[in-house]
Amino acid sequence: QKEVEQDPGPLSVPEGAIVSLNCTYSNSAFQYFMWYRQYSRKGPELLMYTYSSGNKEDGRFTAQVDKSSKYISLFIRDSQPSDSATYLCAPSSGTYKYIFGTGTRLKVLA
Amino acid sequence: NAGVTQTPKFRILKIGQSMTLQCTQDMNHNYMYWYRQDPGMGLKLIYYSVGAGITDKGEVPNGYNVSRSTTEDFPLRLELAAPSQTSVYFCASTQETGAYGYTFGSGTRLTVV
Repeated sequence: QKEVEQDPGPLSVPEGAIVSLNCTYSNSAFQYFMWYRQYSRKGPELLMYTYSSGNKEDGRFTAQVDKSSKYISLFIRDSQPSDSATYLCAPSSGTYKYIFGTGTRLKVLA
Repeated sequence: NAGVTQTPKFRILKIGQSMTLQCTQDMNHNYMYWYRQDPGMGLKLIYYSVGAGITDKGEVPNGYNVSRSTTEDFPLRLELAAPSQTSVYFCASTQETGAYGYTFGSGTRLTVV
């Protein structure tokens, strides 16, 4: 079993839709949960950061962590074509090394 | 404020050639990393460093070498390039353990023919 699993997509949605991106993980020691956004031919950029279980909201983005089921979600409200990118989840146990998911490719259609 | 700078952006190598991928950060981060990203395979850790003079192997170190003589620079050396090393290489850095996420460079796209 991989430590972190993501559906690779692509996930295609119409502009304005609510998008749900998900990860599952196997290591119960993970307590920091990051979401990165990667545009085509660019480096990943940190989008959201959550510590332990719960929700965190930043503008149109909400990160949700359920440690009991080892499930991480990123919700995007009012999705825009500019949100078209690959989204990578990256949990960490607090050491200096993160484990990255393979990423989910999102396409928001105008 | 440049962040993490990688050079070159693109390179084509012939089998058996060597090259160095450069990575520099201006954020005074102690932790630096090299990843490779292949289509559908996610980011694989090649080498990392927790400070000047200290380096360690990641998940896929074979065929690569690194050095860390200063806090700012973390070059990745490819010796005897092979087609399996065709990939996009990302350098990243972070301030502290665990809690701050990485700052990535824009990548080096390498093709070995």
